[in-house]
Amino acid sequence: EVQLLESGGGLVQPGGSLRLSCAASGFTFSTYAMSWVRQAPGKGLEWVSVISGDAVTTYYADSVKGRFTISRDSSKNTLYLQVNSLRAEDTAIYYCVWLRFHYHGMDVWGQGTTVTVSS
Amino acid sequence: QTVVTQEPSFSVSPGGTVTLTCGLSSGSVSASYYPSWYQQTPGQAPRTLIYNTDTRSSGVPGRFSGSILGNKAALTITGAQADDESYYYCVLCVDGGISVFGGGTKLTVL
Repeated sequence: EVQLLESGGGLVQPGGSLRLSCAASGFTFSTYAMSWVRQAPGKGLEWVSVISGDAVTTYYADSVKGRFTISRDSSKNTLYLQVNSLRAEDTAIYYCVWLRFHYHGMDVWGQGTTVTVSS
Repeated sequence: QTVVTQEPSFSVSPGGTVTLTCGLSSGSVSASYYPSWYQQTPGQAPRTLIYNTDTRSSGVPGRFSGSILGNKAALTITGAQADDESYYYCVLCVDGGISVFGGGTKLTVL
């Protein structure tokens, strides 16, 4: 059974940084692509980024390009999202998601970690 | 800028059938966009219902089905139940690895 557990969220000032982590289990980590999806308070879901199983290829939403970096460590079965230059509009729950296929088929979701950007 | 469209709200009677749709602001949705559908109740993480247009995720009841209807992806709930009252989101793979969610549909069962 695929299981995902996010951590690393918190309160950060505008312009600050955080590294979000997602510990994965129940599958061969390096085989599957993984994504981050976020949800601002009272808003809908927003796709943020995806990384291939081999960590070679990444894609980002325009809203985070140049500020966020997705990565993964197969030795630790962990997905990361480095979030820099944070803005108030980045305040959201950040979900880690397992993909069934190369870049589509988001299927298993973590419970999320909350990032709050405020002074 | 790709915009994925969904009905903001919909209502269905208990036991009834409802079809929610997922379109593009310009163009038609086809299976090559790999549409997926998610259900979310407030305070909970999303739950996957359908991926790859019409494949039900593990444990999803058969009353949920996905398809392409005309130029849109569709999620049909047959025999709606009270606990189907939720938000429903679709996502399309629009450009290589880029995905875009629709704004979501609030489904009321009454």
